[in-house]
Amino acid sequence: AQTVTQSQPEMSVQEAETVTLSCTYDTSESDYYLFWYKQPPSRQMILVIRQEAYKQQNATENRFSVNFQKAAKSFSLKISDSQLGDAAMYFCAYKVTSGSRLTFGEGTQLTVNP
Amino acid sequence: NAGVTQTPKFRVLKTGQSMTLLCAQDMNHEYMYWYRQDPGMGLRLIHYSVGEGTTAKGEVPDGYNVSRLKKQNFLLGLESAAPSQTSVYFCASSRGQSPGSPLHFGNGTRLTVT
Repeated sequence: AQTVTQSQPEMSVQEAETVTLSCTYDTSESDYYLFWYKQPPSRQMILVIRQEAYKQQNATENRFSVNFQKAAKSFSLKISDSQLGDAAMYFCAYKVTSGSRLTFGEGTQLTVNP
Repeated sequence: NAGVTQTPKFRVLKTGQSMTLLCAQDMNHEYMYWYRQDPGMGLRLIHYSVGEGTTAKGEVPDGYNVSRLKKQNFLLGLESAAPSQTSVYFCASSRGQSPGSPLHFGNGTRLTVT
């Protein structure tokens, strides 16, 4: 079975600084996708960024980028120039390309200090 | 465009009572999912459906039943609620199983079982 682990229950960062959230996963599959979702206090789940396992290039979306290390099964999220609106719970998630199920990690609560 | 709508938003049940959570999507999506979110455990898949008239078990199906009689609706039922089912429940939908089809989430239902 696939598992996703986020070892940092809580993280904090100063506004305008950079923070990295960690995620590791375990799988025997070779073709899969990885995601980061953001959940603000409104409870809405928002897709932040997506990485295809067969692509070596790390995905980037504006201030959000990932460090994907396939051999180490690591998928960290870097938030640059942190803003107060980035404060949220962040979930790492995994999906086999041929499957229909998304598996989530435990979540990391990010606090942004002014 | 409403997207994914969950009703109710909040509910308090007594142990042994039953209830049904309704999820409706107006995007003509084939796939629909029910997740529960608990502190420190992320989102866990309860049941899902890959099309009208189909349902399948996820990671934590015990104590829940689902039905997908209409393509746009996915119902989650609790026949005899237990305190362990206190959680926030999320419905999601997607156009297909490809990771290129992102999940669209509802805003969640907070259920408390006393």
